[in-house]
Amino acid sequence: KNEVEQSPQNLTAQEGEFITINCSYSVGISALHWLQQHPGGGIVSLFMLSSGKKKHGRLIATINIQEKHSSLHITASHPRDSAVYICAAGSGDSNYQLIWGAGTKLIIKP
Amino acid sequence: DGGITQSPKYLFRKEGQNVTLSCEQNLNHDAMYWYRQDPGQGLRLIYYSQIVNDFQKGDIAEGYSVSREKKESFPLTVTSAQKNPTAFYLCASSIDNSGRGTDTQYFGPGTRLTVL
Repeated sequence: KNEVEQSPQNLTAQEGEFITINCSYSVGISALHWLQQHPGGGIVSLFMLSSGKKKHGRLIATINIQEKHSSLHITASHPRDSAVYICAAGSGDSNYQLIWGAGTKLIIKP
Repeated sequence: DGGITQSPKYLFRKEGQNVTLSCEQNLNHDAMYWYRQDPGQGLRLIYYSQIVNDFQKGDIAEGYSVSREKKESFPLTVTSAQKNPTAFYLCASSIDNSGRGTDTQYFGPGTRLTVL
């Protein structure tokens, strides 16, 4: 069993829909990261959070430490949101390593 | 503009050849990382470096080597000992703090290596 699991693996939705991507982890963490990988391969960090909720534009990330679960939401989705969304957990072990989820491939159809 | 550059974008190599992937950053970050990505899998750490002239093995270091002679540069050599080198390679950097995974990592555009 992976220490960081994402669901769903693949998600196809229509433009305008509200999107939720889930991330569950089984380890103690120092922080939870959400990143976006564009079709060309480049990766951009979206959020880093250790508690509560963060919002940037149409993106919202939440984390529930007790349940070891985080969600990434996209409101009013747009075809340009099509990408792979990756969560990664900072383990807090002072070893500079993140524990990576396998990613959720999102396709937004116009 | 500050950022991370990787070159080349696409690289083809014959079996048995060593090849070096370039990674340069001008963000003044102390920590640098090399990841490998295979289809349908999460990123896997090859090597990381916390400071110049120091680096540590990640989860899949066998068949790879690195150097960190300058703060800005962290080249990765894929040696002939790497059994299955065809993959997408990503370099990243972060401002060093405790190393507890609370740094935002900034990624280069990646190099796609294909062994012929």
